[in-house]
Amino acid sequence: DTEVTQTPKHLVMGMTNKKSLKCEQHMGHRAMYWYKQKAKKPPELMFVYSYEKLSINESVPSRFSPECPNSSLLNLHLHALQPEDSALYLCASSQAIGTGSYEQYFGPGTRLTVT
Amino acid sequence: ELKVEQNPLFLSMQEGKNYTIYCNYSTTSDRLYWYRQDPGKSLESLFVLLSNGAVKQEGRLMASLDTKARLSTLHITAAVHDLSATYFCAVDRDDKIIFGKGTRLHILP
Repeated sequence: DTEVTQTPKHLVMGMTNKKSLKCEQHMGHRAMYWYKQKAKKPPELMFVYSYEKLSINESVPSRFSPECPNSSLLNLHLHALQPEDSALYLCASSQAIGTGSYEQYFGPGTRLTVT
Repeated sequence: ELKVEQNPLFLSMQEGKNYTIYCNYSTTSDRLYWYRQDPGKSLESLFVLLSNGAVKQEGRLMASLDTKARLSTLHITAAVHDLSATYFCAVDRDDKIIFGKGTRLHILP
């Protein structure tokens, strides 16, 4: 199984809502990532988890809260978002950091619209 | 700070023609990746280049890496419409990968 799954595919939320994005992989990867991608731009790294611990936070606003309950799951909790947070949110996974190959496998993404 | 520059950023070409996309990066790295993204879709891994002189080919696409020049190329041979997409190169550094801005490739029938 070389698939990364993400739910939901689409999400529309108001600025006062609380929602969560979910990501799952069953490739035995121990590194997982959240990216944000605006239209016609490259993905921007948000968070990196390594062995279920947060290893990189790219100065992301606190209205985004990541969580890694186990080695297969990664969540992104959203609260009090702004319209400019509307984007495609991509999850990715790779073999454990430090193994020599960080090829990342991307999920299909969640298209988020904040109204 | 690691910078990854791709050129061209936009390429419109006729079917059957050959062309090359260039990816330059600013600091030492031994790993370079090429991804493809179709509109509204996620990223698909095309190539992983792990050493100087590495060359990989898949169908009409061939990627190479020169770590001394800090340059990778993605060569398209006899382009077909199905190759229309955005192509990103990415370089890893300090446990994360940095993407170039992407090359939007539009192949005309």
